[in-house]
Amino acid sequence: AQSVTQLGSHVSVSEGALVLLRCNYSSSVPPYLFWYVQYPNQGLQLLLKYTSAATLVKGINGFEAEFKKSETSFHLTKPSAHMSDAAEYFCAVYPSSNTGKLIFGQGTTLQVKP
Amino acid sequence: DTAVSQTPKYLVTQMGNDKSIKCEQNLGHDTMYWYKQDSKKFLKIMFSYNNKELIINETVPNRFSPKSPDKAHLNLHINSLELGDSAVYFCASSQDLGSGANYGYTFGSGTRLTVV
Repeated sequence: AQSVTQLGSHVSVSEGALVLLRCNYSSSVPPYLFWYVQYPNQGLQLLLKYTSAATLVKGINGFEAEFKKSETSFHLTKPSAHMSDAAEYFCAVYPSSNTGKLIFGQGTTLQVKP
Repeated sequence: DTAVSQTPKYLVTQMGNDKSIKCEQNLGHDTMYWYKQDSKKFLKIMFSYNNKELIINETVPNRFSPKSPDKAHLNLHINSLELGDSAVYFCASSQDLGSGANYGYTFGSGTRLTVV
């Protein structure tokens, strides 16, 4: 069964520092992978997605993620954190079965300190 | 011009009551979903409907009954509410069953249900 694991339920960085949120996936077939962001008391917003095109995926708000098959990883990065990046981040995988079901990781809370 | 809208945004109710959450999307999508986010923020799919047809029922108690009167609407009715039903419920949609992988999903802003 496909799954995703987010390493670190809470990440704290200083404003201007590099953001690195880790996601590892388990899949026997090439996966479709997503990163979503959830701001406090809001719904989920798509940051970026990997759909087997380029391995380096650029998303909104300066975020990007790199698909590494050898490491089964899809880590999310941003060169310089901004206070407004403080939110909950979810990695998700779309299974190969055509049911539309999206499987989420446990989420990582990003705290940005001034 | 909201893409996926849910009502109500907040719902506080007593144990044993029956309540409904409504969801509407104006994107012309064929597929709609209900996800539950628990107190630890873990998100799990409950149901998916494609063109009014039930596709996924992820071992959700029978007290939860989705209804899709048309492909733009997917409502969630919950009978005999229990304390453990307290959560945030998200509605989402995708163009169709397969396109979610390529185009992603659009989520509503959630309904925070509190059972007291």
